[in-house]
Amino acid sequence: GESVGLHLPTLSVQEGDNSIINCAYSNSASDYFIWYKQESGKGPQFIIDIRSNMDKRQGQRVTVLLNKTVKHLSLQIAATQPGDSAVYFCAENTGNQFYFGTGTSLTVIP
Amino acid sequence: DAGVIQSPRHEVTEMGQEVTLRCKPISGHDYLFWYRQTMMRGLELLIYFNNNVPIDDSGMPEDRFSAKMPNASFSTLKIQPSEPRDSAVYFCASGSRGGANYGYTFGSGTRLTVV
Repeated sequence: GESVGLHLPTLSVQEGDNSIINCAYSNSASDYFIWYKQESGKGPQFIIDIRSNMDKRQGQRVTVLLNKTVKHLSLQIAATQPGDSAVYFCAENTGNQFYFGTGTSLTVIP
Repeated sequence: DAGVIQSPRHEVTEMGQEVTLRCKPISGHDYLFWYRQTMMRGLELLIYFNNNVPIDDSGMPEDRFSAKMPNASFSTLKIQPSEPRDSAVYFCASGSRGGANYGYTFGSGTRLTVV
């Protein structure tokens, strides 16, 4: 079956530094990927997405990179701020379902 | 748009009692998903509906769990009887085209504690 895993369960960064969160996926047929942010006491929220015909997509302070050769996804956050502290999930879409990774907890140190 | 609305936000109940969680999806979304989140297992898909019809309930833990979607604007997840191991945060999410555009929108969740 499909599986999505994260390399690092926790990540601490200094405010202002860049953050990189990694994710491995197993289903080469997955064609759409999303990064979600979950703050304490809230549901996951969409951050940025990328389709399998792209290898990079940029948003405001966030960039998602997709390497289909090694089935790897990463989320880069520029100039990390305290408000970025949250758990980040990658999700891959196969058919009509998304499969979520276990999440990485990002802590921003002021 | 008010987003996906879940109620109650918190529920504390005694073991053996029936618990009903409620969800109002975003208008126009044709897919609805129920997830359970725990520290041990992360986000688990319990069941999802397309156009009010249950499509895949393989994630429902056991017969004590049931879900319904009587119309496009309302769904319930029921646990009867509840057990302490059911304690978790339960999320409802909705999407269009199975999430093929912008994935799912999640509600704020219901934190269930069974004592």
